[in-house]
Amino acid sequence: EAGVAQSPRYKIIEKRQSVAFWCNPISGHATLYWYQQILGQGPKLLIQFQNNGVVDDSQLPKDRFSAERLKGVDSTLKIQPAKLEDSAVYLCASSRLAVTNTGELFFGEGSRLTVL
Amino acid sequence: AQSVTQLDSHVSVSEGTPVLLRCNYSSSYSPSLFWYVQHPNKGLQLLLKYTSAATLVKGINGFEAEFKKSETSFHLTKPSAHMSDAAEYFCVVSDIGEYGNKLVFGAGTILRVKS
Repeated sequence: EAGVAQSPRYKIIEKRQSVAFWCNPISGHATLYWYQQILGQGPKLLIQFQNNGVVDDSQLPKDRFSAERLKGVDSTLKIQPAKLEDSAVYLCASSRLAVTNTGELFFGEGSRLTVL
Repeated sequence: AQSVTQLDSHVSVSEGTPVLLRCNYSSSYSPSLFWYVQHPNKGLQLLLKYTSAATLVKGINGFEAEFKKSETSFHLTKPSAHMSDAAEYFCVVSDIGEYGNKLVFGAGTILRVKS
């Protein structure tokens, strides 16, 4: 079974530029998550999709971040314009069902963003 | 809101010696707790989970964790460390929020295994 695919793995941009990250979840997984992991911290949930609908985007900085999951499969996370504090690893995860007590998410290897 | 605190940012052990990674949780109800592991350049992987059944939980690769309500702890242990255990470990709690359950991660503990 193929895992969660993310691209690009690394991206370096100047502040105020834009960047987009792509994620393809495990086939058949209804729920998709984007997490931000800043160096020295644990992952923080940015947005959760159930199929192609947004379940939770309460921690997404909507003035600069946007995400979509067209057709309920792959997803794109965009940052425009980027700030220095956006330097982080962006993790995509998926699960067959919505997170309940099972807690099992399958993570991709992440996209590391450096903003100069 | 639920939260977890990992008491050590770095732990260093020798190969073949026991591993102890400490985690305390804060919860207003009986929590669901998890440990995830992240090897270099790999995705996070679920190591084990506690969901109010047996308090001693066994996971993959010989790891186990014990839920202690009186101490609000969920420490991760392994009797004998292997070089391949070197990784970052995250203690995680499932938090019931406005939009349903979501996972809240601790800051992580980097485990170094010396030969």
